[in-house]
Amino acid sequence: EAGVAQSPRYKIIEKRQSVAFWCNPISGHATLYWYQQILGQGPKLLIQFQNNGVVDDSQLPKDRFSAERLKGVDSTLKIQPAKLEDSAVYLCASSLIDYGNTIYFGEGSWLTVV
Amino acid sequence: KNEVEQSPQNLTAQEGEFITINCSYSVGISALHWLQQHPGGGIVSLFMLSSGKKKHGRLIATINIQEKHSSLHITASHPRDSAVYICAVRLGSNYQLIWGAGTKLIIKP
Repeated sequence: EAGVAQSPRYKIIEKRQSVAFWCNPISGHATLYWYQQILGQGPKLLIQFQNNGVVDDSQLPKDRFSAERLKGVDSTLKIQPAKLEDSAVYLCASSLIDYGNTIYFGEGSWLTVV
Repeated sequence: KNEVEQSPQNLTAQEGEFITINCSYSVGISALHWLQQHPGGGIVSLFMLSSGKKKHGRLIATINIQEKHSSLHITASHPRDSAVYICAVRLGSNYQLIWGAGTKLIIKP
């Protein structure tokens, strides 16, 4: 079974530039999550999709972050403009329905903002 | 006070030792997850528990709902078990996971 795919793995950008991360969840998984993990901290949920609808985006900084999941399959997370404090690993995860099922994580996209 | 507390924060042991990592939480939960994160790597889900005990290979996870406590055990530990082990809980029907700070485990050969 193919896992959760993310790209790019690593990205370095200057502050005020924009960046986009892509995630392809496990086939058949209705729920997709984007997490932000700052070095030394636990992951923070940014947004959760159920199919192509948003379930929870309460911790998404909407002035600069946006995410979409068109057609209920793969998803894109965008940051524009980036700030230094956005340097983190952006983890995508998926599960069959919601947290009642096992969550599968991608390897993450490492962002450094300089 | 964090809603999810893990102990110890750091643990170094010799290969072959029996390892126990603890997780305590202060709220009612519907499920508890144990996850593993290797340095520079992604997060792997190890167990999801709502009651009792689960075993997978050398890993055992237990949960006591009344005492609001869970443990992750590793038998016959090996250097490849070196990783950060994270406990995360789901609160009722809320979709959010509350994450512990993680336990950094180092197994020396």
